[in-house]
Amino acid sequence: AQSVSQHNHHVILSEAASLELGCNYSYGGTVNLFWYVQYPGQHLQLLLKYFSGDPLVKGIKGFEAEFIKSKFSFNLRKPSVQWSDTAEYFCAVNARNTGGFKTIFGAGTRLFVKA
Amino acid sequence: NAGVTQTPKFQVLKTGQSMTLQCAQDMNHNSMYWYRQDPGMGLRLIYYSASEGTTDKGEVPNGYNVSRLNKREFSLRLESAAPSQTSVYFCASSSGQYSYEQYFGPGTRLTVT
Repeated sequence: AQSVSQHNHHVILSEAASLELGCNYSYGGTVNLFWYVQYPGQHLQLLLKYFSGDPLVKGIKGFEAEFIKSKFSFNLRKPSVQWSDTAEYFCAVNARNTGGFKTIFGAGTRLFVKA
Repeated sequence: NAGVTQTPKFQVLKTGQSMTLQCAQDMNHNSMYWYRQDPGMGLRLIYYSASEGTTDKGEVPNGYNVSRLNKREFSLRLESAAPSQTSVYFCASSSGQYSYEQYFGPGTRLTVT
């Protein structure tokens, strides 16, 4: 069955530190990959997405992610985090399943950035 | 353009009570979804509607029913609420099922006592 793993459930960083959040998925076929962010008290919104082409994709607010097909990974990075990046981050994978296409979300990573 | 709207924002139910969560989108999207979000478990799909007139079970459908009333509206019903259904419920929509990003509503925080 298709699954998405986010390795870190909680991450605490100081401002200006670099960030890398891991995401691995288990699915052998063609996938579309997403990172969503949920700021405190707000709904989920799209951070970035990968469908095809350049495996390094850039999103909003200085975030980027790299798709490494051989490792089934789509890790999220940011060179220098800010206090305002405090949020929960979800990796999601969209792929063909029995009966159509489904999107599976990871369990999420809570990031706290200390000012 | 309101995007995806959900009502109510908060609800407290007693065990055995029923209620309907409402969701509407104004983006002319074909697909709509209901998720529940629980700590440490991410978002789990309850039901989805790939297009108007169709609904399908997701990962955790037990205890829920849905209605795709028209292209805009997709409601989630709890017939007999249980404490295990205490959660935050999110509605989402997308242009299609494949390769399209989902747009989320603000969520409904439901507590069942």
